[in-house]
Amino acid sequence: DADVTQTPRNRITKTGKRIMLECSQTKGHDRMYWYRQDPGLGLRLIYYSFDVKDINKGEISDGYSVSRQAQAKFSLSLESAIPNQTALYFCATSGGGQTYEQYFGPGTRLTVT
Amino acid sequence: GQNIDQPTEMTATEGAIVQINCTYQTSGFNGLFWYQQHAGEAPTFLSYNVLDGLEEKGRFSSFLSRSKGYSYLLLKELQMKDSASYLCAVTAAGNKLTFGGGTRVLVKP
Repeated sequence: DADVTQTPRNRITKTGKRIMLECSQTKGHDRMYWYRQDPGLGLRLIYYSFDVKDINKGEISDGYSVSRQAQAKFSLSLESAIPNQTALYFCATSGGGQTYEQYFGPGTRLTVT
Repeated sequence: GQNIDQPTEMTATEGAIVQINCTYQTSGFNGLFWYQQHAGEAPTFLSYNVLDGLEEKGRFSSFLSRSKGYSYLLLKELQMKDSASYLCAVTAAGNKLTFGGGTRVLVKP
């Protein structure tokens, strides 16, 4: 079984709808992250969480919110989706410290029409 | 803030060597990661450099010069399966990663 899972894997929704993307991990990591990827722009950090009670904004948090329901679960919400939020979204986890690599989920492809 | 530059695309022949450069300007630099990402898939870890010098791992090597804000990823004995995007990422305080735009490598027969 995959260490980091994301649901749904693909989603098409309409402008103005509320969408939740879910992430679960079995690696026992405290740190979890949400990124979006757009062609030519690499991965950009939306939100990150170092433990259940710690939530931080990344570089592009506007229009998004998150919830850390448990150590293993970190959800990303789009309160009112807009077309420029069409992107590939990745969840990632890591252990503590600067040298720990991040492990990525398989991604959610979101299309907002 | 952070600024990371890497070429957009490179083409090489199977069996050859390709070097992907990455330059960065950042505050609070801790280390530099390289990830591989096949189209539509998740990035996977290749290497991590924190000290100056070359780290070799099989066919892949990564170099870092902290004073020059420069790294490269060297791929030797290229195989068709190496066709992918290669992401350079800098880590600062709190293990937050800032990614470059990625370099798409196309390996031709």
